[in-house]
Amino acid sequence: QVQLQESGPGLVKPSETLSLTCTVSGGSISNYYWSWIRQPPGKGLEWLGHIYNSGITNYNPSLKSRVTMSVDTSKNQFSLKVTSVSAADTAVYYCARTNRDGYWGWFDPWGQGTLVTVSS
Amino acid sequence: DIQMTQSPSTLSASLGDRVTITCRASQSISSWLAWYQQKPGKAPNLLIYKASSLKSGVPSRFSGSGSGTEFTLTISSLQPDDFATYYCQQYNSYPWTFGQGTKVEIK
Repeated sequence: QVQLQESGPGLVKPSETLSLTCTVSGGSISNYYWSWIRQPPGKGLEWLGHIYNSGITNYNPSLKSRVTMSVDTSKNQFSLKVTSVSAADTAVYYCARTNRDGYWGWFDPWGQGTLVTVSS
Repeated sequence: DIQMTQSPSTLSASLGDRVTITCRASQSISSWLAWYQQKPGKAPNLLIYKASSLKSGVPSRFSGSGSGTEFTLTISSLQPDDFATYYCQQYNSYPWTFGQGTKVEIK
């Protein structure tokens, strides 16, 4: 079955750029949207945006000016960049496949998540 | 943005209890709602999509209902593995948003 794995630095300095990659195994990255979702420690979930294998994106306006997503179909990977990070960006970051039954929008499966701490 | 409000925030229940969690949307989302279960230190796990469609492999004691602005997740007979936090999520319109979560605790 499809599995997702996040990778990237666990510590980022304030004002710098957070960069994460999600590797998809057990299936093709084609024909799906792929999402990033984050969860600050002890808090709820926030959808950051998603990308189609063609490169079409939708971003959450709350971070739209700071977020960029990209996809590398040759490596079955997609990536997230968040610029100008602050302590408020400290969170567990999840990647997930976006599915549809009519509308696109439900997430399954998810990666295990990776904690990114913003601190000097 | 569509606001999703879950109630209660915390629920104390005993094994075998019937448990109901409510999720309300700030505007109509038709049936475009999903439910997830999350255990400490783990990623959320999809239970239900399109308000009432059970994900394959999820126990039948879980069920979802509702449309428009009010939805419920019901666990018909609470089992030890069900103590967790549950989230609803709307995908009717961007940005997709989650409820704040309902923690189901042992009574």
